Amino acid sequence: GEDVEQSLFLSVREGDSSVINCTYTDSSSTYLYWYKQEPGAGLQLLTYIFSNMDMKQDQRLTVLLNKKDKHLSLRIADTQTGDSAIYFCAESPADYSGYNKLIFGAGTRLAVHP
Amino acid sequence: DGGITQSPKYLFRKEGQNVTLSCEQNLNHDAMYWYRQDPGQGLRLIYYSHIVNDFQKGDIAEGYSVSREKKESFPLTVTSAQKNPTAFYLCASSLTSPPGELFFGEGSRLTVL
Repeated sequence: GEDVEQSLFLSVREGDSSVINCTYTDSSSTYLYWYKQEPGAGLQLLTYIFSNMDMKQDQRLTVLLNKKDKHLSLRIADTQTGDSAIYFCAESPADYSGYNKLIFGAGTRLAVHP
Repeated sequence: DGGITQSPKYLFRKEGQNVTLSCEQNLNHDAMYWYRQDPGQGLRLIYYSHIVNDFQKGDIAEGYSVSREKKESFPLTVTSAQKNPTAFYLCASSLTSPPGELFFGEGSRLTVL
């Protein structure tokens, strides 16, 4: 069945790079997404990657996609305290019919300390 | 500014009562969704709608109902049949063309006393 897995917690020092990992099961997913959630708020789209790409970079964010291993990662360079949040990985099943029924992981809580 | 508005942000309910959560969007999106979030778990899809007067059950629709009488609005009713309704509820909308990323509201936290 469809499943997205992430580690639940990551702690990094301010200024270091953070790498959040995700594995998914639906090899036919056309898009994969990273969302950020701050306490008590909704989810904010950070970036997405099309399944025929290996990498996407957007300022401090780098997304790597390994389709063979069904592994997605999000790297945040020069991590700041404002990056502390929960990060969700999500996949979009291939039977796209106008409904984007994303499958979400449980989220990785990123804690940034001085 | 365009966006999605959910209300109320916090809601308390006694057992046995129905409660309706509001979701309004002005992004001109055709598709709208309701998700439920529980601590330590991913988001789970309750209901979704592609077009006015049409909606489908998601993975955990039991004990919930929705309506889609207007493109901009997709209210969710949590009925007394929902066994464990205390949760954080998130409404989202999207275009119906790829990549179809979801735009989320700020959420509504429901607590059943």
